[in-house]
Amino acid sequence: QVQLQESGPGLAKPSETLSLTCTVSDYSISSAFYWGWIRQPPRKGLEWIGTISHSGSTHYNPSLKSRVTTSVDTSKNQLSLKLSSVTAADTAVYYCAGAVTDTDGAFDIWGQGTMVTVSS
Amino acid sequence: DIQMTQSPSTLSASVGDRVTITCRASQSIVSWLAWYQQKPGKAPKLLIYKASILESGVPSRFSGSGSGTEFTLSISSLQPDDFATYYCQQYNSYDLTFGGGTKVEIK
Repeated sequence: QVQLQESGPGLAKPSETLSLTCTVSDYSISSAFYWGWIRQPPRKGLEWIGTISHSGSTHYNPSLKSRVTTSVDTSKNQLSLKLSSVTAADTAVYYCAGAVTDTDGAFDIWGQGTMVTVSS
Repeated sequence: DIQMTQSPSTLSASVGDRVTITCRASQSIVSWLAWYQQKPGKAPKLLIYKASILESGVPSRFSGSGSGTEFTLSISSLQPDDFATYYCQQYNSYDLTFGGGTKVEIK
């Protein structure tokens, strides 16, 4: 069964770069339609951050585009997210997700999420 | 980018009720719409994709309809496990967007 697991520091300081990794288990990262990062601030809704295909083709939320970088490491079967110049507004649960079956783009598999707090 | 507007934002209902949630897109997304269910402290779970296709393992009391700019998620007979927050998401373009969510509460 496909599993996703996010990992990374739970705390980041303002102006620093937040770095997260998503490890994909029991599924080849190259086989998905695409992979995505989504976040959810406390008590708020879901916000799409960006998507990346196994070939490395990326699309980012226009409101975050200048600060976001995502990548795929097929040798490790991992995704990564970097968000620069973070502020308190970036405090959220960060999810990685994948479109791995025939949904043509709906995310049918999600990680459990990792909470990141931005604070000095 | 495409804006997704869900209504209502909160819905109070009883077990056994039929419930309908609406999602409107700011421009046509054909049928590229997904519905997710999220419970507190958990990741979202895909219920429906391509507007009306039920994800494997999802109870048949859930159904989706619509095309173009207007979509609905219906629950035919609300069960205790269905009290949660529901989100729509468009994937017509590579710039994805979620609706603001609808919280289904116990009346």
